[in-house]
Amino acid sequence: NAGVTQTPKFRVLKTGQSMTLLCAQDMNHEYMYWYRQDPGMGLRLIHYSVGEGTTAKGEVPDGYNVSRLKKQNFLLGLESAAPSQTSVYFCASSYSTWLAGNLDTQYFGPGTRLTVL
Amino acid sequence: KNEVEQSPQNLTAQEGEFITINCSYSVGISALHWLQQHPGGGIVSLFMLSSGKKKHGRLIATINIQEKHSSLHITASHPRDSAVYICAVFEWGAGSYQLTFGKGTKLSVIP
Repeated sequence: NAGVTQTPKFRVLKTGQSMTLLCAQDMNHEYMYWYRQDPGMGLRLIHYSVGEGTTAKGEVPDGYNVSRLKKQNFLLGLESAAPSQTSVYFCASSYSTWLAGNLDTQYFGPGTRLTVL
Repeated sequence: KNEVEQSPQNLTAQEGEFITINCSYSVGISALHWLQQHPGGGIVSLFMLSSGKKKHGRLIATINIQEKHSSLHITASHPRDSAVYICAVFEWGAGSYQLTFGKGTKLSVIP
């Protein structure tokens, strides 16, 4: 039982390049989330998914796209990376969504450190 | 948007001390979440609460909805408690939600 895994762990991109971050969970959770964490800003929700085939925008969705083609995977895409997207990205999953008031634990992945030059 | 303030920003304690970390917010919320971020970066969910008090081992979380304030207490602190502690507040209603994280409190426990 690996929990929540993220690939890659580190990545350096040049401005304008594209990439996809992969999040995988083996806990059969319905809900998955992508966050970014920046110094002095705290965590911020980018996008989330309440089930296979569904996604929704969070607080800072601009510049990112997501897909949830399989229940266990949640992909975060950057189509044209910008230096402002330099950050640490965390994926999380939960059995039910705390966004709708259910007090359910979120399980976090180890993070991906992305640098955009 | 809710303003979430944590205090102190940094805290150094001797092993065995009782520790309190505070979280205040500006707008009424539906629930509050405490998280722990280890020095290596990993994040663990500690508590989610909407009222009263929750306890898990040496950790206790309380929330006062009227005063818009929550505290996280650590009894008999240990160097392995050294981490950044983050609170997050949730507001939802009529199909919409707001989720706001504090900037964290960095705790160092010295042997």
